[in-house]
Amino acid sequence: GAGVSQSPSNKVTEKGKDVELRCDPISGHTALYWYRQSLGQGLEFLIYFQGNSAPDKSGLPSDRFSAERTGGSVSTLTIQRTQQEDSAVYLCASSLARLRVSSYNEQFFGPGTRLTVL
Amino acid sequence: GDSVTQMEGPVTLSEEAFLTINCTYTATGYPSLFWYVQYPGEGLQLLLKATKADDKGSNKGFEATYRKETTSFHLEKGSVQVSDSAVYFCALSASGGNKLTFGTGTQLKVEL
Repeated sequence: GAGVSQSPSNKVTEKGKDVELRCDPISGHTALYWYRQSLGQGLEFLIYFQGNSAPDKSGLPSDRFSAERTGGSVSTLTIQRTQQEDSAVYLCASSLARLRVSSYNEQFFGPGTRLTVL
Repeated sequence: GDSVTQMEGPVTLSEEAFLTINCTYTATGYPSLFWYVQYPGEGLQLLLKATKADDKGSNKGFEATYRKETTSFHLEKGSVQVSDSAVYFCALSASGGNKLTFGTGTQLKVEL
């Protein structure tokens, strides 16, 4: 079956512009996550969705970053007024909902969007 | 907060050598522990996991044992192959949590 897909695969933008990154999770996965992979910071959690709501936004680095999810499926990560330090690979992952607090469902990762801010 | 520390790379080994990549963690409660692998040009894939103390995760010849007393989850393989060349990430998911907290990654290069 289809895995997690992300678009675009590469995005080059100028400082100060807004960008939108898209994630299509695996069908039936109600949980969706955004992470960022950068040279200076490694792999960092950004935000978690359960359905269309985001109970954990603790990793968003500033108010320039926002994300939404519609129809319990596609998610968009928006970065406003991009800065050079936003350059990174943005990864999306999805998983099934947990049946109980103590269980864990594997997160499946997409190929990422490489963002370069000039 | 939660954190994961893993040995810095790059690690360069000859084929059939023994591999150990150290990983230690800091977390409250009883986290689940993971090793993810990123092959060149590919996305992150789960390699193995362990969800409670003394559990051993294993896959593709790799093993890691959840050691609560030493807060460690070291990755081992008895005989590496060139095809194992990749970046390996140790990660944890806090008890009752959802997000993954990753280490910085260790690049492994296996040569003939």
